Amino acid sequence: QKEVEQNSGPLSVPEGAIASLNCTYSDRGSQSFFWYRQYSGKSPELIMFIYSNGDKEDGRFTAQLNKASQYVSLLIRDSQPSDSATYLCAVNTGQGFSFIFGKGTRLLVKP
Amino acid sequence: KAGVTQTPRYLIKTRGQQVTLSCSPISGHRSVSWYQQTPGQGLQFLFEYFSETQRNKGNFPGRFSGRQFSNSRSEMNVSTLELGDSALYLCASSWAASDYNEQFFGPGTRLTVL
Repeated sequence: QKEVEQNSGPLSVPEGAIASLNCTYSDRGSQSFFWYRQYSGKSPELIMFIYSNGDKEDGRFTAQLNKASQYVSLLIRDSQPSDSATYLCAVNTGQGFSFIFGKGTRLLVKP
Repeated sequence: KAGVTQTPRYLIKTRGQQVTLSCSPISGHRSVSWYQQTPGQGLQFLFEYFSETQRNKGNFPGRFSGRQFSNSRSEMNVSTLELGDSALYLCASSWAASDYNEQFFGPGTRLTVL
């Protein structure tokens, strides 16, 4: 059973701090990794994706991938109250175009 | 460029009925995936269509079916509705030229089964 695990939270951080969201996956053959943000009552919105080991930065967001440890993370710098949402980790296992999603981590950024 | 659209946005049905949901992908995208999202189970993959062919299927009963048309628009059908089918149904479109392509979600259809 292929799984993607995330801490459900809530993860509470003060405004301006760095929020660190983590995700582990079970399938070593996984090829690509995606982070989505979902506001309450809305659909998931793609934030960024990563394919190679290491860090990838996009504005205030940094995705980190460690395939040996089967671990992917998302850092949000200078967190804002508008970042308060559920963050979903998604993995394409490379067996056809299908994704497995984690259940998400709820982030609360307090002013 | 228009995003993914889904119709209807809200549906209320009773047990035993059937329902058809529609999804129009981003222009040029040939892949449409369907997901069911519930508070307890999160986002679960139903199936994926590419160029009118179902390429992948999740672990859902045969009551859940879909199809894709030549213009890439997709429909999903649920027959003999059960209370547990109440959920947000999301479709996502992609170029899907490779496993590295991202997916973009539509606004979803909120289905309530009474």
